[in-house]
Amino acid sequence: SQQGEEDPQALSIQEGENATMNCSYKTSINNLQWYRQNSGRGLVHLILIRSNEREKHSGRLRVTLDTSKKSSSLLITASRAADTASYFCATATNTGGFKTIFGAGTRLFVKA
Amino acid sequence: GAVVSQHPSWVICKSGTSVKIECRSLDFQATTMFWYRQFPKQSLMLMATSNEGSKATYEQGVEKDKFLINHASLTLSTLTVTSAHPEDSSFYICSARLAGGVSGELFFGEGSRLTVL
Repeated sequence: SQQGEEDPQALSIQEGENATMNCSYKTSINNLQWYRQNSGRGLVHLILIRSNEREKHSGRLRVTLDTSKKSSSLLITASRAADTASYFCATATNTGGFKTIFGAGTRLFVKA
Repeated sequence: GAVVSQHPSWVICKSGTSVKIECRSLDFQATTMFWYRQFPKQSLMLMATSNEGSKATYEQGVEKDKFLINHASLTLSTLTVTSAHPEDSSFYICSARLAGGVSGELFFGEGSRLTVL
């Protein structure tokens, strides 16, 4: 069953603007990961944040994690048209066997 | 980064036939692979966890006799959709975790789009 929920479901912004996506989850986690998926393609790993970390940066990406609220956010700064894709958060848990469960995803459209 | 190859990338079959999808880790060993199913504009639903040398662990609601998983080596897992029906049409994606890794990132194949006529 799905673990996380993301909002917004869809986001349309202008090139150069920042895009923020949020993810909430239900159970305790080992880590939380963000992935990107271009239409009809596989997923590409973007960034992993461990349960004892609060913030992480990678290039134009900034991820925060609040385990007390069971939520995470992904910020993409200075967006580009090439950032247009679906973004998923995924939580790694070790309950009932180790597995990674994906949220519903946010479809981001960056207009040139 | 690690590469996962999935084959075929798309397949069309007649109702009642079986289809096999392969997932290979090309440059690393994967003791654990995961099979996901994705409907259009939806998220990935975990179907099963494939463990090398042992039986797959299926998620609740996934028919193990319908979706046969074999993980015969450290670099290959296969998903066979048996007696396929139109409702099995979907995008199937595999992923692999590095051997020895516990909670690290997953490496994904490019997916296989199945259309059952």
